[in-house]
Amino acid sequence: NAGVTQTPKFQVLKTGQSMTLQCAQDMNHEYMSWYRQDPGMGLRLIHYSVGAGITDQGEVPNGYNVSRSTTEDFPLRLLSAAPSQTSVYFCASRRDSQGNTIYFGEGSWLTVV
Amino acid sequence: GQQVMQIPQYQHVQEGEDFTTYCNSSTTLSNIQWYKQRPGGHPVFLIQLVKSGEVKKQKRLTFQFGEAKKNSSLHITATQTTDVGTYFCAASNSGYALNFGKGTSLLVTP
Repeated sequence: NAGVTQTPKFQVLKTGQSMTLQCAQDMNHEYMSWYRQDPGMGLRLIHYSVGAGITDQGEVPNGYNVSRSTTEDFPLRLLSAAPSQTSVYFCASRRDSQGNTIYFGEGSWLTVV
Repeated sequence: GQQVMQIPQYQHVQEGEDFTTYCNSSTTLSNIQWYKQRPGGHPVFLIQLVKSGEVKKQKRLTFQFGEAKKNSSLHITATQTTDVGTYFCAASNSGYALNFGKGTSLLVTP
């Protein structure tokens, strides 16, 4: 049981490049989300999904796209990377609205130069 | 979403001293969660509080939810070096979206 798996762990992008951060969970959780963490800012919600085919915006969605074609996968796409998107990204999952525990992936360190 | 303010931002204690971090909201919360993140690691769920005035303990950690459900605290008794990390509270009014406080970074020196 791997839990929440994120790839890649580290990535350097040039401004304007696009890329996808992958997230997969094997716990059959309905709820998945993406957060970014910046120094002194805590964790800020980018996008989330309450089930396959359903996504919604969080606090800081601009510059990011998501899709949820399967229960297991929730990729985060950076359309045109900007230096302001340099951050640590965490994917998280939760069983459903009644599930207390949120499980985080190990994080993806992204640098945009 | 529900905004939560967390204080202090940093705390430096000697091993064996107690530590408390506070989480405050201007509005009533349906529940509050606490997480710990070790340096270089990912947040790990500690606990969820739901009821007004609720108190829960996990070994040396005591979690409280205020009577008005607008504030919460995490207290660590007799800190150890293994307690080092950042402690976050997170809250939602309803539904899924969680809003995290900015965290309290705890440094414990032996």
